[in-house]
Amino acid sequence: DGGITQSPKYLFRKEGQNVTLSCEQNLNHDAMYWYRQDPGQGLRLIYYSQIVNDFQKGDIAEGYSVSREKKESFPLTVTSAQKNPTAFYLCASSIEATSGRKNIQYFGAGTRLSVL
Amino acid sequence: RKEVEQDPGPFNVPEGATVAFNCTYSNSASQSFFWYRQDCRKEPKLLMSVYSSGNEDGRFTAQLNRASQYISLLIRDSKLSDSATYLCVVINDYKLSFGAGTTVTVRA
Repeated sequence: DGGITQSPKYLFRKEGQNVTLSCEQNLNHDAMYWYRQDPGQGLRLIYYSQIVNDFQKGDIAEGYSVSREKKESFPLTVTSAQKNPTAFYLCASSIEATSGRKNIQYFGAGTRLSVL
Repeated sequence: RKEVEQDPGPFNVPEGATVAFNCTYSNSASQSFFWYRQDCRKEPKLLMSVYSSGNEDGRFTAQLNRASQYISLLIRDSKLSDSATYLCVVINDYKLSFGAGTTVTVRA
């Protein structure tokens, strides 16, 4: 089945620790995205990648890092510099990063990150 | 001002009722519009695109009013399974802007 797989489903971070969230897609999409969702708020864009080996900061990139070494994979690292990391993290992909229907985004099931 | 604003609700309606709600957007140059559905603690899923002339998908009707910069969603003959949060999504260039969602609860 084609889709987007995020792992783990739940993750706990200790103070001063970096953690990495996995996102894999087999939809052959060029564009991939990471969002953060907090209660009562809309999704906020952390990073996006339009193509392999390229990525751009979104609205709230501070304290996060990404890589895009393969088309299928777009892992997100939450660093110790992110002081309020507790949130629901969603990875998405689209055919391409445009203004039209090719940018309809499909989401993974998400990772819930909490701080111990 | 937020790029996309929605009435958070909740809209509590009986089965079989019609419920409608709007979403306003701030950028008049916005190009594409969608409604997503998000169930509790799940990922958002595309419900329908919104076209300039308005469009229907079964019991769901979406409208776009560019002059007043809002889109709307109407659900007819509500089912229990329609209970969810409905996210308004607007595209400008490459970027999607999400509303915080309108919660609909359909009761038996």
